[in-house]
Amino acid sequence: AQSVSQHNHHVILSEAASLELGCNYSYGGTVNLFWYVQYPGQHLQLLLKYFSGDPLVKGIKGFEAEFIKSKFSFNLRKPSVQWSDTAEYFCAVKRDSSASKIIFGSGTRLSIRP
Amino acid sequence: EAGVAQSPRYKIIEKRQSVAFWCNPISGHATLYWYQQILGQGPKLLIQFQNNGVVDDSQLPKDRFSAERLKGVDSTLKIQPAKLEDSAVYLCASSARPGGDNEQFFGPGTRLTVL
Repeated sequence: AQSVSQHNHHVILSEAASLELGCNYSYGGTVNLFWYVQYPGQHLQLLLKYFSGDPLVKGIKGFEAEFIKSKFSFNLRKPSVQWSDTAEYFCAVKRDSSASKIIFGSGTRLSIRP
Repeated sequence: EAGVAQSPRYKIIEKRQSVAFWCNPISGHATLYWYQQILGQGPKLLIQFQNNGVVDDSQLPKDRFSAERLKGVDSTLKIQPAKLEDSAVYLCASSARPGGDNEQFFGPGTRLTVL
């Protein structure tokens, strides 16, 4: 069965620091990968997604993620975080099939000190 | 564009009681999903509808949970009877079509507390 691991449960950074949130998945076939974000008091929303092509994916608000197939990883990065990036971030994976469901990781809470 | 609507936003019940949640997806979205998110975990899919048909309910505890989408638009998720471990946020999402390349839009969720 597929699974998604987010090893960092809570990350605390100062503004302007660089961010990298880890995500590993456990499926050997072709996958679709996602990062979702939930800002305080708001709905869960899609940050970025990877389906095929360039393994470096650009998302909204300056976020990017790199798919490294050999490491089964899809880490999220941002070169300089802002206080407004405080949120919970969820990595998710889906087998490349229209019938397959999305499996979410347990989430990483990001707190940015102003 | 109006988003996914859910009600109620909060519900507190005692164990063995029943409860129902309602979801109205984005207009025109054929696919509707119900997720359960337990504190400290990511969302877990309970059931997926394509129009008014069930696509996947493999993780729905069918002895106590039921869901319907009779007219292929809004949907209701019911728990009867509730257990303490059902305390969670219940999220509804919709997408234009099934498949991962179609973005899922999430509602605000219903936070259920079972005492």
